[in-house]
Amino acid sequence: AQTVTQSQPEMSVQEAETVTLSCTYDTSESDYYLFWYKQPPSRQMILVIRQEAYKQQNATENRFSVNFQKAAKSFSLKISDSQLGDAAMYFCAYRSAGIIQGAQKLVFGQGTRLTINP
Amino acid sequence: DGGITQSPKYLFRKEGQNVTLSCEQNLNHDAMYWYRQDPGQGLRLIYYSQIVNDFQKGDIAEGYSVSREKKESFPLTVTSAQKNPTAFYLCASTNRGVSSGANVLTFGAGSRLTVL
Repeated sequence: AQTVTQSQPEMSVQEAETVTLSCTYDTSESDYYLFWYKQPPSRQMILVIRQEAYKQQNATENRFSVNFQKAAKSFSLKISDSQLGDAAMYFCAYRSAGIIQGAQKLVFGQGTRLTINP
Repeated sequence: DGGITQSPKYLFRKEGQNVTLSCEQNLNHDAMYWYRQDPGQGLRLIYYSQIVNDFQKGDIAEGYSVSREKKESFPLTVTSAQKNPTAFYLCASTNRGVSSGANVLTFGAGSRLTVL
């Protein structure tokens, strides 16, 4: 079974600076998808960014980018120019690319609570 | 606007009572999911359904039951057999299909269940 590990329960960063959140995963599959979700105090889960394992190019979405290291099974999230609205819980998630029954379910890490200091 | 509606937002239950959490989506998504969130443990999958009238157990299905009689609806019942039901429950949905691997889960706003 796949597992996802976020080793940083809490992180903090000064407003306008850059922060990197870590995520590692364990799988024997070669084709899969990785996601970062944000959960603000409202508790609504919001997709931040996603990465297909077969793509070598790292995904970017405005101030958010990932460092995907497939061999190392690492998927870190970099937030540039941090803003107060970025304060939230961040979850890393894994999903198999297979279309067999059950393959679409997400496996989540434990989460990292990010605080933005003004 | 399309989305997922969960109700109630807050629910209190006495021990020994069954309660049902509602999840309705108007996104025309085929697959629906229930996750449980506890502090420090991330999200854990309870049940999921990829098509009407069919559903599968997730990682922590004991003490829970679901039904999928309509595409739009996937209610979760927390039974008295669930030993520690106090938690935050999230419903999600996504499309299936040939390229469904790239599809993203859309989440509802969640339901907070507290056992008194």
